Amino acid sequence: AQKVTQAQTEISVVEKEDVTLDCVYETRDTTYYLFWYKQPPSGELVFLIRRNSFDEQNEISGRYSWNFQKSTSSFNFTITASQVVDSAVYFCALSDYSGAGSYQLTFGKGTKLSVIP
Amino acid sequence: GAGVSQSPSNKVTEKGKDVELRCDPISGHTALYWYRQSLGQGLEFLIYFQGNSAPDKSGLPSDRFSAERTGGSVSTLTIQRTQQEDSAVYLCASSLQRTYEQYFGPGTRLTVT
Repeated sequence: AQKVTQAQTEISVVEKEDVTLDCVYETRDTTYYLFWYKQPPSGELVFLIRRNSFDEQNEISGRYSWNFQKSTSSFNFTITASQVVDSAVYFCALSDYSGAGSYQLTFGKGTKLSVIP
Repeated sequence: GAGVSQSPSNKVTEKGKDVELRCDPISGHTALYWYRQSLGQGLEFLIYFQGNSAPDKSGLPSDRFSAERTGGSVSTLTIQRTQQEDSAVYLCASSLQRTYEQYFGPGTRLTVT
């Protein structure tokens, strides 16, 4: 069965520090998709990134970067020069064919990031 | 463009009553998902709709839960004979296709007293 583990429950950093959020996943499928979502205090889940299992290229978007390593089944997320607005709960998620082919998201428990000014 | 909308935003109901939660997906999105977010269980999948195909109900926690999607667009999640353990935030998401990114609505916070 698929599983996503985010070992860091809460992280606190001082503004402008870099921070990495860890995500480890388990799946039996060779084709799967990985996601990161942000849930700010307002509550709405915001999509950040989607990667498929065949594309291991790292991706950078502004201050955000993602490191996908199939060899370690990890999909880590780094925020460079953190800002107070980055304070939120971040969820890593996996979708694969298992089940009825619905590709529903299996979420990790989330990491609560607090950026202190 | 318009995102996923859900109504009501909050619902307080007495134990044993039925509730209906509504989701309007993004126009043109064929895939629609319902999830539930609670402190104890995190984010859990409930049900998936794709076009006119039979839904995947594998995540529904009991037969008190049901959902329908009319005309390939609006969806309604119904919980019959609500219990206190049904208290949670119910989230709806839609995507262009099932393997694409899912966009979430603001959720309905359900409180069963």
